[in-house]
Amino acid sequence: SYELTQPPSVSVSPGQTASITCSGDKLGDKFACWYQQKPGQSPVLVIYRDTKRPSGIPERFSGSNSGNTATLTISGTQVMDEADYYCQAWDSSTAWVFGGGTKLTVL
Amino acid sequence: EVQLVESGGGLVQPGGSLRLSCAASGFTFSSYWMHWVRQAPGKGLVWVSRISSDESSTNYADSVKGRFTISRDNAKNTLYLQMNSLRAEDTAVYYCARRDQSSLDYWGQGTLVTVSS
Repeated sequence: SYELTQPPSVSVSPGQTASITCSGDKLGDKFACWYQQKPGQSPVLVIYRDTKRPSGIPERFSGSNSGNTATLTISGTQVMDEADYYCQAWDSSTAWVFGGGTKLTVL
Repeated sequence: EVQLVESGGGLVQPGGSLRLSCAASGFTFSSYWMHWVRQAPGKGLVWVSRISSDESSTNYADSVKGRFTISRDNAKNTLYLQMNSLRAEDTAVYYCARRDQSSLDYWGQGTLVTVSS
């Protein structure tokens, strides 16, 4: 079965750039998306189809996907961005799968 | 405004059954594939099942295949998950979510299922 691997945790200082990676076999051939989940809340889609931002998501969130790695980048990270982030991949031959999640700490 | 509201969770004994519901509003429910995703306490997101807009196609994670059944009633704008032969490892918050553009763009608030004697 297809697997996506994320680092368990990433730390960043306020105002700096945070990068969270998601690795999977030929992930660049699939569509990747990212979800943000704050404690006690439901997940929120922040990036879809590799690079697109849903309405209402700040411009500081961006995504890329190439080769075996998708990356979520948060520029000018704010304290409010502290959350768990999950990648997810899809193509017509892959069952829906999530990465294990990355806890982003802003300090 | 898109809204998804789950219900039906609760405490059930191992081997028991439960049916979850997800009431949808604010969009044309019959036009969208729908999914169930669960999250065990303190753990990550795990995809459970999906159903096509017209109910003609369904898929399940291996861990629930043969025990869970997804269905929908487009006239009532409601998604269901029938869960049978429940195990302790099925304990989780269950979310329903709408699929759009190969991602899940709206999620409900979740309903907690606890399987314990």
